[in-house]
Amino acid sequence: DTEVTQTPKHLVMGMTNKKSLKCEQHMGHRAMYWYKQKAKKPPELMFVYSYEKLSINESVPSRFSPECPNSSLLNLHLHALQPEDSALYLCASSPRRWAASPNYGYTFGSGTRLTVV
Amino acid sequence: AQKITQTQPGMFVQEKEAVTLDCTYDTSDPSYGLFWYKQPSSGEMIFLIYQGSYDQQNATEGRYSLNFQKARKSANLVISASQLGDSAMYFCAIPSGGSNYKLTFGKGTLLTVNP
Repeated sequence: DTEVTQTPKHLVMGMTNKKSLKCEQHMGHRAMYWYKQKAKKPPELMFVYSYEKLSINESVPSRFSPECPNSSLLNLHLHALQPEDSALYLCASSPRRWAASPNYGYTFGSGTRLTVV
Repeated sequence: AQKITQTQPGMFVQEKEAVTLDCTYDTSDPSYGLFWYKQPSSGEMIFLIYQGSYDQQNATEGRYSLNFQKARKSANLVISASQLGDSAMYFCAIPSGGSNYKLTFGKGTLLTVNP
C-alpha cells in the first residue's frame, strides 16, 4: 500500500463545478508536491509546499488553488476547469524540499484521474 | 536546464528474459542523481532505483540494475528475469530547478512482457 493516500481515485466534474482533491501522508515529510500528468505524457510539476508554505508555483492557472492545512495534508481546489485539464493528478512527498538522493526521494500517491466534461 | 531523453516509446520482452530501457540525460551540475520510476496502469509512480553521479558502483535493487556510463551521460535500466507484472510505463528522471526542487521526467518507455 502506498504511504501517500489520494482521494478520490476518480472524479468527473463539470466546467462550472467546484471540487477538491485530497492528499495525505504520515511519514513526517515536510515537502509536498502536486504533479499533473496528461495521457501518454510524463508528470509535470504544478506546486511545491515546504513546511506548509507554498514555495513553488509553476505558473499554474488560478483555477487550480492549492492548500496545505497541516504537515500531513495537501489539497488541490478546482474551480471552473476546462476539458483540457482532464488528467491524472499526482501528489508526492519528500522529507525535505530536495529530491537529489534516495534519502530524500519522492513518494508518490496513486493519483486522482480527473475528467472535466 | 536538465533534460532527459528516453528514445524507446515501447519495448516488448518475453517472460523470464532480460530487457534494457535506455535513458540519456543532459545536465551542467557537477553532482546529480538519476531516478527510475515504474508506473503501472493504476497510475501510481513507484520508485525503483537511484544512481548518484559520484557513486563508485552501478546501482542494483533486486532484479533492477543500472548501466551507468557517466562520460556518455547514460543511465540505462536493466530488468532481469522479466515478469508479467513488470508490464508498465518506465520513467527516467533527474532533479532540476533551484535546489533540485522538482523531478524532470523523460517521455517514458512502455514495457510489455509477453508470456
